[in-house]
Amino acid sequence: DVKVTQSSRYLVKRTGEKVFLECVQDMDHENMFWYRQDPGLGLRLIYFSYDVKMKEKGDIPEGYSVSREKKERFSLILESASTNQTSMYLCASSPRTGAGNTIYFGEGSWLTVV
Amino acid sequence: RKEVEQDPGPFNVPEGATVAFNCTYSNSASQSFFWYRQDCRKEPKLLMSVYSSGNEDGRFTAQLNRASQYISLLIRDSKLSDSATYLCVVNERVGGGYQKVTFGIGTKLQVIP
Repeated sequence: DVKVTQSSRYLVKRTGEKVFLECVQDMDHENMFWYRQDPGLGLRLIYFSYDVKMKEKGDIPEGYSVSREKKERFSLILESASTNQTSMYLCASSPRTGAGNTIYFGEGSWLTVV
Repeated sequence: RKEVEQDPGPFNVPEGATVAFNCTYSNSASQSFFWYRQDCRKEPKLLMSVYSSGNEDGRFTAQLNRASQYISLLIRDSKLSDSATYLCVVNERVGGGYQKVTFGIGTKLQVIP
């Protein structure tokens, strides 16, 4: 089974803190994604990566950055956390070939910024 | 117009009922389609892919209508355990063989005893 692991499941951070959310996948997938999910807004894409050291902005990249130094690891960084970044963050991965490939999600990271 | 549109519901149905959800997409170049299921406070998980000829998996049937640009999910003989949010997912191939994945907002189903 594909495993996407988000090591931090529940975090509480203060406004202005730097926050790292880590994601590791074990299936050698090329594509990795970070989403946030909020009530009434659905899943919104923050950043994605199609290869090591490669990143592309999604629909809502403001206030976030990412790092992909190794194929299996994709990190989301909140440089200066704000209360409107309180959300559930979902990491996902998928193989590259074709457009019909399943996306696999991690269990989510619940972030509260106070 | 949103790229992928779903009625957020909730759909409240009695056990044993048949319920159907639709999802419309705006990009006619979209290539592959899926239904995901998401339980409360959990991650989305693949329920089934949607093929042009339609496909069935037990009590679940998925259909694709390319001409009208919608996909549907039919659940027969609803169980309490079917209560969840059902997400419509549309993939399109962009330059370089990469995929753009768009999620619908999800339709919430509540099956009532």
